This record gives sequence, structure tokens and C-alpha cells, in this order.
Amino acid sequence: KNEVEQSPQNLTAQEGEFITINCSYSVGISALHWLQQHPGGGIVSLFMLSSGKKKHGRLIATINIQEKHSSLHITASHPRDSAVYICAAYMEYGNKLVFGAGTILRVKS
Amino acid sequence: EAGVTQFPSHSVIEKGQTVTLRCDPISGHDNLYWYRRVMGKEIKFLLHFVKESKQDESGMPNNRFLAERTGGTYSTLKVQPAELEDSGVYFCASSQEEDGQYEQYFGPGTRLTVT
Repeated sequence: KNEVEQSPQNLTAQEGEFITINCSYSVGISALHWLQQHPGGGIVSLFMLSSGKKKHGRLIATINIQEKHSSLHITASHPRDSAVYICAAYMEYGNKLVFGAGTILRVKS
Repeated sequence: EAGVTQFPSHSVIEKGQTVTLRCDPISGHDNLYWYRRVMGKEIKFLLHFVKESKQDESGMPNNRFLAERTGGTYSTLKVQPAELEDSGVYFCASSQEEDGQYEQYFGPGTRLTVT
């Protein structure tokens, strides 16, 4: 069992829908990354957070350190949001990242 | 400011050959990381440099993999001899401490195919 679990693995949404991707982890962490990878593209950092909530445009990320859970929300989804979304946790000691398996999101127009 | 760059973007080699991947971190970043995604699996940590020193190499799969960071700038990851299971995408990332945090910035990856 991976230390970082994501759900769902695959998600298909209609344009305009509100999307939630969940990430849970089983070890102590200092912070968590939400990353995005478009097909054939590199990895882009969306958020790094260690508490509370962050918002950037239509993207919102939340984390509850005590409950070992984070969510990424996309409001008013658009086909260009189609990508793989990955959560990655910084281990409490050291700078090593442990990655979830990723969520493949497809937004249909 | 240039981001993390990696070379080559793709490499196709035969089993038994040697391949060297290169990563240039963001200028001034002391921390450099190598990660790998093999098909169908999550991205896994390989190792972490602080300047030219290996801080953590617990993720290196075996002694066919050799990473170096001479001078604390760019890094190379050599696979010798390559095996079929080494195929995957190799990512490099770099970071520098800011307010006690180490946000990592990723390169575009090198897709390695071993035939």
C-alpha cells in the first residue's frame, strides 16, 4: 500500500462541472504538493501547502494535517483542465517527496 | 529565469548499452532530486543531492545506476548496463529553502526506452 493514496484514479467530467480530487496519506508530512501534467508535457506545480487553503484562479487546494487529507477542487471545469493531477507529500524528515498514483482527468465539451 | 532543464528529452537504447541523463537545476538551487516513473506506476524518488553531496540515495534501484553532481551544479544519472525494466520517464527537480519550505520545481523529464 502506497503511503500517499489518490482518488479517483480516473475522472470524466462535463465542461462547467465542479471537480474534486482527493489525497490521503498515512505518514507524517511537512507539506503537500499538487502537481499537474498535461499529455506529453512536464510536471507543473499548482500548489504547495502545509495548512488551510490556497486558491489560484479556478483551482482551490485544502489540507487537514490532523486528518491526513488534502483535496484539489476545480470550479467551472474546462477541456483545457484535462491532465493528470498528482499529489505528492513531503516527508516530515528530509525533503523527499512521496507521490500518489495520479488522477487522470478528462473534461468534455 | 530559466527553469529546470533535462537532456535528452527522449532516449532509445538497446539492453546492455549505457545511457547518461543530464539535469540542470535552477541556478542557485542547492537541492537536486532525481525521480522516475515506470509505466503504470507512481513517480518514485531516486536520490537527493545537497550541493555536490548525496543526502539520500535510498531510492536508487541497484548499482547499475550512478548519479553525480560534480561542482554542485548540473547532475548526471548514468545507467550501465541498461535493462528493459529501466524504461520510464526520469524527472529531475530542484529546490532552495525559502521561509523554511523547499518547494520543488520539476524539469520536463527524459523518456528512456530500453529495447
